Amino acid sequence: DTEVTQTPKHLVMGMTNKKSLKCEQHMGHRAMYWYKQKAKKPPELMFVYSYEKLSINESVPSRFSPECPNSSLLNLHLHALQPEDSALYLCASSPGWQGRNTDTQYFGPGTRLTVL
Amino acid sequence: QKEVEQNSGPLSVPEGAIASLNCTYSDRGSQSFFWYRQYSGKSPELIMFIYSNGDKEDGRFTAQLNKASQYVSLLIRDSQPSDSATYLCAVNSGGYQKVTFGTGTKLQVIP
Repeated sequence: DTEVTQTPKHLVMGMTNKKSLKCEQHMGHRAMYWYKQKAKKPPELMFVYSYEKLSINESVPSRFSPECPNSSLLNLHLHALQPEDSALYLCASSPGWQGRNTDTQYFGPGTRLTVL
Repeated sequence: QKEVEQNSGPLSVPEGAIASLNCTYSDRGSQSFFWYRQYSGKSPELIMFIYSNGDKEDGRFTAQLNKASQYVSLLIRDSQPSDSATYLCAVNSGGYQKVTFGTGTKLQVIP
């Protein structure tokens, strides 16, 4: 089973709202990722959590705040977003161990975010 | 700047033909290479990964890797209209958990 779930599927929010995106996996993976994808562009890495610790932050603005409550859950807290933040937000997970075989990432279905 | 380059397409092939998708990368230290399929409005779906020079086959899909030429390709045999999607090449870079995606090649299989 290579299932990563994300909620909600769609989210519309105003620039003053606070909302959260949720991601869950039950594959025993120890690394989880947030990506942002704009139309006709490839996914852009935002954050990586490895063994529940933030290991990569790709200089993302502070209005995006990640949280990893446990090894199965990943949240992305949103506050004071701008219309240009509208995008598909993708969560991914991977086994999380380093070896010759690079961690293979499996994506969730994404949350389509619209900021008004 | 570590880059992954793909022809954006669209690549149009008739149903039943072989589709050949290509990708080049700049980081000679890259060790692992992935192909994802992404339907419009959906998330990327892993098709294959490869890390050894040569060919790797899985059903109708064959990935080919040539590290000396910094080139990876995906062949789709007996292409079906349902294969019409954008194919993303991804290469690990800057660590084992960090991958760089190409801009993707849009494939259209014509019935």
